[in-house]
Amino acid sequence: DIQMTQSPSTLSASVGDRVTITCRANQTISTWLAWYQQKPGKAPKFLMYKASTLVDGVPSRFSGSGSGTDFTLTISSLQPDDFATYYCQQYNLYSGTFGQGTKVEIK
Amino acid sequence: QVQLVQSGAEVRKPGASVKVSCKASGYTFTDRYLHWVRQAPGQGLEWLGWINPNTGGTKYAQRFQGRVTMTRDTSISTAYMELKRLRSDDTAVYYCARVFRRGYGPVDYWGQGTLVTVSS
Repeated sequence: DIQMTQSPSTLSASVGDRVTITCRANQTISTWLAWYQQKPGKAPKFLMYKASTLVDGVPSRFSGSGSGTDFTLTISSLQPDDFATYYCQQYNLYSGTFGQGTKVEIK
Repeated sequence: QVQLVQSGAEVRKPGASVKVSCKASGYTFTDRYLHWVRQAPGQGLEWLGWINPNTGGTKYAQRFQGRVTMTRDTSISTAYMELKRLRSDDTAVYYCARVFRRGYGPVDYWGQGTLVTVSS
């Protein structure tokens, strides 16, 4: 199975900060990458697919980039509702492994 | 509206099996693959595999091969995930989740989760 590695594991930031999370695959996955947001006790929320396409209703402060093996999720101006854990998921070749998650916490 | 309703919490002893159900409504069950994902307490998301409800075809994550079986009953729009030879580190919330679009891809709707506790 393809392995996904996210960094950092935890990120401390303030409201208004620009935040970037990195996700790396151990083999090329083209742009078959999704991002999810999860809050405690809740199922994940689907944010983005094909590395950079926002799901309807997701605020435009979220953006994604990358292809091949290296990807980023950026939040341009962190809002109080954005403090959560973020996961990448590759969906290349009919598999679906997740990164280990990045917790965005209040500084 | 799309809903995935899972069966209730389960407690099992090590070595036993558990079967979790996921009943779909609000869309055509056979149109979308279903993934199964789990989350151990305080840990990240772990992908177990998927089932194509139309054909019954499956793919499992390598580390669960031989221990997991995914099936479906199209007459009642329900998918099942059975995990055998349970260990204490299988204690987790198990989710089913629907693929976003026809064909394969990421997921948009999730079930509410089923807590499986493995303890002697």
